[in-house]
Amino acid sequence: QVQLQQWGAGLLKPSETLSLTCAVYGGSFTGYYWSWIRQSPGKGLEWIGEINHSGSTNYNPSLKSRVTISVDTSKNQFSLKLNSLTAADTALYYCARRWELFRYMDVWGKGTTVTVSS
Amino acid sequence: EIVMTQSPATLSVSPGERASLSCRASQSVSSNLAWYQQKPGQAPRLLIYGASTRATVIPARFSGSGSGTEFTLTISSLQSEDFAVYYCQQYNNWPPITFGQGTRLEIK
Repeated sequence: QVQLQQWGAGLLKPSETLSLTCAVYGGSFTGYYWSWIRQSPGKGLEWIGEINHSGSTNYNPSLKSRVTISVDTSKNQFSLKLNSLTAADTALYYCARRWELFRYMDVWGKGTTVTVSS
Repeated sequence: EIVMTQSPATLSVSPGERASLSCRASQSVSSNLAWYQQKPGQAPRLLIYGASTRATVIPARFSGSGSGTEFTLTISSLQSEDFAVYYCQQYNNWPPITFGQGTRLEIK
């Protein structure tokens, strides 16, 4: 059964860069898109973007200028970088999986809380 | 960007009763709609995709209906474990994929 394990720094300062990584265990890395989604009290669930094993990416236009999602197929991992952080980026960040042909997420990581504060 | 609006924000229902949760899209999303359940401290869990198809191991008391802009998630006989927050998500017009703001289902 596929599991997603995620990690990264939880406390950052304004203007810094968020960096999170998600590892895929127990399943294939190909045939899927690997997503980042965040959840905050103010904005609810917000899709950030996604990547597949070939490195093809899709981003939320509202965040595109600040987001980079990358993949390391040798480790079955994918990563999120979000720069120029502000307090509005404080949220619970999830990694998740979707099939290449369908755009709903069927497997989710447990989430990483990221707080942006000076 | 398609805006998803869920109603009501909070729904109070007694165990064993039926619950109906609504989701409206700002423009047609065809049947490209999913429902998720989220319990405190947990990630969302996929319940329904394609507006009406239950995901793997989801009990038959959960059903989805609708197409276009109006969708409903129905839980036929509420069990204690069903009290949670429910989100709809459209995946017809993207990027971005967008979610509703959620309906909290609480015990009456």
